[in-house]
Amino acid sequence: QKEVEQNSGPLSVPEGAIASLNCTYSDRGSQSFFWYRQYSGKSPELIMFIYSNGDKEDGRFTAQLNKASQYVSLLIRDSQPSDSATYLCAVNMGNRDDKIIFGKGTRLHILP
Amino acid sequence: KAGVTQTPRYLIKTRGQQVTLSCSPISGHRSVSWYQQTPGQGLQFLFEYFSETQRNKGNFPGRFSGRQFSNSRSEMNVSTLELGDSALYLCASSLRPAGGYGNTIYFGEGSWLTVV
Repeated sequence: QKEVEQNSGPLSVPEGAIASLNCTYSDRGSQSFFWYRQYSGKSPELIMFIYSNGDKEDGRFTAQLNKASQYVSLLIRDSQPSDSATYLCAVNMGNRDDKIIFGKGTRLHILP
Repeated sequence: KAGVTQTPRYLIKTRGQQVTLSCSPISGHRSVSWYQQTPGQGLQFLFEYFSETQRNKGNFPGRFSGRQFSNSRSEMNVSTLELGDSALYLCASSLRPAGGYGNTIYFGEGSWLTVV
C-alpha cells in the first residue's frame, strides 16, 4: 500500500523557535514532494515543493529531502503564532500512477 | 487571476439523496483532482480528470463519480448518500496531469457536505 506518513501531533513549539515537521513515504519512485498548510476550516495552501535531494529555502521555510531514506521534512524558523495550523505532506506516487497522495497532517501549535 | 472555485460551499442532504458538486479550475489549468477530507481519514484521493478523461481513481465505491467538460470545469456526483459521506470535498487544479514531475496542484475552498 503506497502511503505517506506523518506524526499527527500536536507539536507544540515556543514562539521564535524552530519547528521541525517530518514525513516518510513508501514509493521509491516518487519524484515530487509538497508541503501544504491548512488552517482550521480552510482549504490547504501550498507552502513549498521540492524535487531534488537536499535543502530548499524560502523565507522562514526550509524543505529537506532525502530520497535514499524516503524522508522529507519542513523546518519553520522564527515560529510565529500565525504558523499554528495543520501541515500536510504530499507526494506523487511514481511515474505511472501520477496521483498525489497526502499524509494525514501534523498539527502545529506555536506557544506565545 | 481567479483561483479554483467550488460550488456550493455548504450543503445539507438527507441519506439516500444524491448530490452534485462543481469545480471551476484556474484559467488555463486542464487537470482537476477531487479529494475527500474527514477528521479521521485526512485527505483521500477520489479521482482526477485531464482533458475530459479520468486519469486516476482512488478507492471509493461506485457511488462516487465525476466528469470534466471541454472548458475544464468538473463535477462530482455522489449517489445514495450515507452518513459517512459527510465531509469536506476539495477540488484541486493544475496545468498538467497531477503528480507529474514539476507540476503543483492548487485547492479551492471546498464544499462542506453534511448528510443527515
